[in-house]
Amino acid sequence: EAEVAQSPRYKITEKSQAVAFWCDPISGHATLYWYRQILGQGPELLVQFQDESVVDDSQLPKDRFSAERLKGVDSTLKIQPAELGDSAMYLCASSPVAAGGELFFGEGSRLTVL
Amino acid sequence: QKEVEQNSGPLSVPEGAIASLNCTYSDRGSQSFFWYRQYSGKSPELIMFIYSNGDKEDGRFTAQLNKASQYVSLLIRDSQPSDSATYLCAVTRSGGSYIPTFGRGTSLIVHP
Repeated sequence: EAEVAQSPRYKITEKSQAVAFWCDPISGHATLYWYRQILGQGPELLVQFQDESVVDDSQLPKDRFSAERLKGVDSTLKIQPAELGDSAMYLCASSPVAAGGELFFGEGSRLTVL
Repeated sequence: QKEVEQNSGPLSVPEGAIASLNCTYSDRGSQSFFWYRQYSGKSPELIMFIYSNGDKEDGRFTAQLNKASQYVSLLIRDSQPSDSATYLCAVTRSGGSYIPTFGRGTSLIVHP
């Protein structure tokens, strides 16, 4: 069964350091999302890509976060510099269609900032 | 007011009972409604979606949508301990990119 791949699964870093997360969506899924989920809360959208184009990054803290999907396949989310409040699960999801909420999530990358 | 509201719970039901999970949303033009299940420490997985008013059944799960009241619910019949998880309601916004917006989730505990 096709899956969304994410790495690393766990990342511990000190504040002010740089951190990067990688996501490879299910083959053929044109839409890719990055969500952040703080413990006890629901996932919050950071950025949505349609192929290589950003559809919505209005909630992405652009002073420290960046995301790219250069060839319209895999994607990288970067945080520089990391802050204590960035500790969360970073979830990547993909969808075969742009208009819909049928998301397939990866296992997530849990970030702890010390 | 948050776009998607859920009671965080926990909702505790005995094994074999019906669990009823509720969700309200603020955007009257919302198009699509989804329920995801998230086990502790895991990522969400889609269990049901509904687009039209009324009920939609899939095995032990029934999703109910009332657009006039801006209300969507999930019923789980014959609840099992393995159903213990957090249930996330997601709603796609009207217009634009139809991005799913999630509620905070309701924790369900099914006790033997």
